[in-house]
Amino acid sequence: QLQLQESGPGLVKPSETLSLTCTVSGGSISSSSYYWGWIRQPPGKGLEWIGSIYYSGSTYYNPSLKSRVTISVDTSKNQFSLKLSSVTAADTAVYYCATVAGTLEFDYWGQGTLVTVSS
Amino acid sequence: QSVLTQPPSVSAAPGQKVTISCSGSSSNIGNNYVSWYQQFPGTAPKLLIYENNKRPSGIPDRFSGSKSGTSATLGITGLQTGDEADYYCGTWDSSLSAVVFGGGTKLTVL
Repeated sequence: QLQLQESGPGLVKPSETLSLTCTVSGGSISSSSYYWGWIRQPPGKGLEWIGSIYYSGSTYYNPSLKSRVTISVDTSKNQFSLKLSSVTAADTAVYYCATVAGTLEFDYWGQGTLVTVSS
Repeated sequence: QSVLTQPPSVSAAPGQKVTISCSGSSSNIGNNYVSWYQQFPGTAPKLLIYENNKRPSGIPDRFSGSKSGTSATLGITGLQTGDEADYYCGTWDSSLSAVVFGGGTKLTVL
């Protein structure tokens, strides 16, 4: 059973870069079965896909965030990471990492981590 | 404003059946698989339905999914108070080149 765990600062200042890491356990991030994705949810609002990455490094980003997003993978640590630059208060959200199965459903999720953008 | 349209809320009595709709277009639901997620307050979403109508292991057959044209529907039979949650639909949008979600539907079991 795959388990995912997000980690990173819970508070980021406006204009700075949000950085989060997702650690995968119970399986290899190099598995050909999955992409690995980030989704966020502002408080009281719906889900927004941020982007996804394959273990080879191939990435797909939400066009609305593409200019500010970088997702990378570290197979040696069984982790993948999210960087979101030039953050504003609108980026305040719970950030989830998840596995992305073949037909683009998110089947295993981390517990989520709240990131607040505030000075 | 979400790309996929869901009713903000639905309600039904325990033991009854409820359906939650998800409306889109030919660039998303019309030509791609739909998945459904259940989310309790303060917890991560959980996959309920994938590929329009398939249930992951462990999801009871009280939950069902269907798709017709540019709309999808989640059905829940034998409602229980424990089914009170937010429900989201999701799919790929070929025009946007993005995964898109509905705005979510809050289910109340009266």
